[in-house]
Amino acid sequence: EAGVVQSPRYKIIEKKQPVAFWCNPISGHNTLYWYLQNLGQGPELLIRYENEEAVDDSQLPKDRFSAERLKGVDSTLKIQPAELGDSAVYLCASSPSGTANTGELFFGEGSRLTVL
Amino acid sequence: GDSVTQMEGPVTLSEEAFLTINCTYTATGYPSLFWYVQYPGEGLQLLLKATKADDKGSNKGFEATYRKETTSFHLEKGSVQVSDSAVYFCALRSGGSNYKLTFGKGTLLTVNP
Repeated sequence: EAGVVQSPRYKIIEKKQPVAFWCNPISGHNTLYWYLQNLGQGPELLIRYENEEAVDDSQLPKDRFSAERLKGVDSTLKIQPAELGDSAVYLCASSPSGTANTGELFFGEGSRLTVL
Repeated sequence: GDSVTQMEGPVTLSEEAFLTINCTYTATGYPSLFWYVQYPGEGLQLLLKATKADDKGSNKGFEATYRKETTSFHLEKGSVQVSDSAVYFCALRSGGSNYKLTFGKGTLLTVNP
């Protein structure tokens, strides 16, 4: 069974440029998460989707960050414009929903962003 | 709000040494507790979990016991191997329908042969 797939693995951009990250969750997982991991820190939730609905986006900086999951499967996280402080690893995770959700999240390998 | 405090790293041990990584938490209600591990170049993966007080989670020789009285979930292994070198994250999920995981900062473990 394929795991959570993220791309790109690495991205280097100049500040003020836009950037987008893509995530394909495990087949059948209705819940999708985007986490931010700064260097030396644990992951912090940015947004959680149940199917195509964003049910928790309270930690997403909406002035420059946006996300979508139009068909309830793949998801894209966008930053526009990027700032130096956005340099971090962006993690995507998925899990089953409802009673099948045991708390275990399945993570992708992450997308490492460097803003120069 | 929910929070997790982990032992600061890095931790460096020799092979076959005993490992303890401390983890304490603050949460409302009765959270579920987790240890995730991140091997070099890989994504985070669940190592073990416990869903109620006094439960012991175990996997790959690692153990952790959910201690409600001390709000702790310390990770232990009796004899570490070089292949255990990784970053370990303690995490909690509050009770109810909240699916959000709150992570600690992570502890880097290096095991030398």
